[in-house]
Amino acid sequence: DAKTTQPTSMDCAEGRAANLPCNHSTISGNEYVYWYRQIHSQGPQYIIHGLKNNETNEMASLIITEDRKSSTLILPHATLRDTAVYYCIVRRPGQGAQKLVFGQGTRLTINP
Amino acid sequence: DTAVSQTPKYLVTQMGNDKSIKCEQNLGHDTMYWYKQDSKKFLKIMFSYNNKELIINETVPNRFSPKSPDKAHLNLHINSLELGDSAVYFCASLKAEGNEQFFGPGTRLTVL
Repeated sequence: DAKTTQPTSMDCAEGRAANLPCNHSTISGNEYVYWYRQIHSQGPQYIIHGLKNNETNEMASLIITEDRKSSTLILPHATLRDTAVYYCIVRRPGQGAQKLVFGQGTRLTINP
Repeated sequence: DTAVSQTPKYLVTQMGNDKSIKCEQNLGHDTMYWYKQDSKKFLKIMFSYNNKELIINETVPNRFSPKSPDKAHLNLHINSLELGDSAVYFCASLKAEGNEQFFGPGTRLTVL
């Protein structure tokens, strides 16, 4: 699986959009970008994933650059409950029984 | 309804003891996992079972023995507990053709 690089921490004001970047310059053509988050003391939670097109669901939007070497997770209207560690993971679906390899993630703090 | 449940939530025990953590999922998924999150907050895969068969074993000491009595359960038994086993253990499950892993709430194990 391709390695990912994320900032260690970020802050965002409540109600504003939180934009979390992820670099994955060694991504292969068939590897997807996944985002999970872990709210304090809870299990990780799936957010969104994509291959090359931008994706949106009820939680977030995922913007993947045309060369696929980086992506941005967007929480459009951040709330205090979005404070968590956000993990960007790159992998091929169906590969290796789909184990997730977690990096250090980005600790996002939403401030009132 | 709880999708992935773990018991107990907290476990405090002495070095050298043997203990078990139980996991159950009611999602009808085929694949289940155990992850370990240490004090530095790194999440690492330990085991994966698919339809009661072991498919991933990430160089975990053989003091750790997962057992899957049926597709909905994956228990983790740990023999001769050591201080370094103190961590939060997360169970997760996955649909066979799906991309999203569902995580349990975690079991915080403290070895004294």
